[in-house]
Amino acid sequence: DQQVKQNSPSLSVQEGRISILNCDYTNSMFDYFLWYKKYPAEGPTFLISISSIKDKNEDGRFTVFLNKSAKHLSLHIVPSQPGDSAVYFCAASAREAGNMLTFGGGTRLMVKP
Amino acid sequence: NAGVMQNPRHLVRRRGQEARLRCSPMKGHSHVYWYRQLPEEGLKFMVYLQKENIIDESGMPKERFSAEFPKEGPSILRIQQVVRGDSAAYFCASSDRENYGYTFGSGTRLTVV
Repeated sequence: DQQVKQNSPSLSVQEGRISILNCDYTNSMFDYFLWYKKYPAEGPTFLISISSIKDKNEDGRFTVFLNKSAKHLSLHIVPSQPGDSAVYFCAASAREAGNMLTFGGGTRLMVKP
Repeated sequence: NAGVMQNPRHLVRRRGQEARLRCSPMKGHSHVYWYRQLPEEGLKFMVYLQKENIIDESGMPKERFSAEFPKEGPSILRIQQVVRGDSAAYFCASSDRENYGYTFGSGTRLTVV
């Protein structure tokens, strides 16, 4: 039972354009959501997070949007840069589960110069 | 301030051997998490430990897998009698309890031949 899903395994975007990565979840107990970026042969790196009491959080070129009624979140990267090419993982946690994260399967983003 | 250190980076074991994966958390972090990433999949939670205590091992296979985080020294994930299906990347993360921004290590890639 996949509680966090990233339905697009890959995404290709032109440099300078917007990248939109999507994530859906099923567990209504999730109250904190995170995005991680991962390069090959490295560990995931924390990018940005959002609490369920908010619907938007912005950090530089990265913005995360949360739609609780749809159980959907998205990561927007504007403008996209070739160095953004990586695998992006969405993750979610529930306060009652402590700090355990449930990850989606990842989306591979390729930003073309 | 060194990040989360995992060693070895690559580990090759024959079927039936034991694999020991080590993780030293970031300085000041007393919470350690182990995740496993199978090929083409997202990260799956295995176990959450604090010093000398296993807090949540709901993601650990019931047999052959064990984890510890002793008072002194690194956290150890131990896999006995490895099988080919254990081949994966094993990531350790640490955190300060007050935030969800895990810091991941670079992982240990286990190959069972």
